Amino acid sequence: AQSVTQLGSHVSVSEGALVLLRCNYSSSVPPYLFWYVQYPNQGLQLLLKYTTGATLVKGINGFEAEFKKSETSFHLTKPSAHMSDAAEYFCAVIQGAQKLVFGQGTRLTINP
Amino acid sequence: DTEVTQTPKHLVMGMTNKKSLKCEQHMGHRAMYWYKQKAKKPPELMFVYSYEKLSINESVPSRFSPECPNSSLLNLHLHALQPEDSALYLCASSVAGVLDLGNTFGSGTRLTVV
Repeated sequence: AQSVTQLGSHVSVSEGALVLLRCNYSSSVPPYLFWYVQYPNQGLQLLLKYTTGATLVKGINGFEAEFKKSETSFHLTKPSAHMSDAAEYFCAVIQGAQKLVFGQGTRLTINP
Repeated sequence: DTEVTQTPKHLVMGMTNKKSLKCEQHMGHRAMYWYKQKAKKPPELMFVYSYEKLSINESVPSRFSPECPNSSLLNLHLHALQPEDSALYLCASSVAGVLDLGNTFGSGTRLTVV
């Protein structure tokens, strides 16, 4: 069954620094991968997704992710962190036709 | 309208109560989902409705009863819950299946069972 593993339950960066959140997947078929963000007391918002085609995927709020089959990775990056980026981030993969399976999440803290 | 609306936002119920959570979307999405999220954990899928028919039940206890009266509405009926059922309950929708655009999530109902 498809699954994802997020490396690092908590990441802390300075404002203006590079954000890198790591996600590795396990899948016997080409995976469909997603990154979601959750702000406190909110639902989840889709940042970006990879289905097929271009391996560098651009999302909202300046985030992007690169699908690397050789490394089974789908890491999320942003060149310059803003205070408003502080949130919980979830990587997810489709299992079967309709089930979205999430990683354990990474809490991003931004230091002023 | 690009939102999934959930009501109520907060709910406190006793273990003998019956209550319902409501979810509504007007994006023309034909798949709707219930997720349960415990504190500091990822969401876990509970149910999927596709074209108003239950297509996935993740072995959820019968004290949770979903209902999809029409393509815009999704309810979750609660009865005889346990304190461990306290969580954030998230509703989501998608065009037809999750492959299409990913789920659009509501803000959730924070449920406390006392």
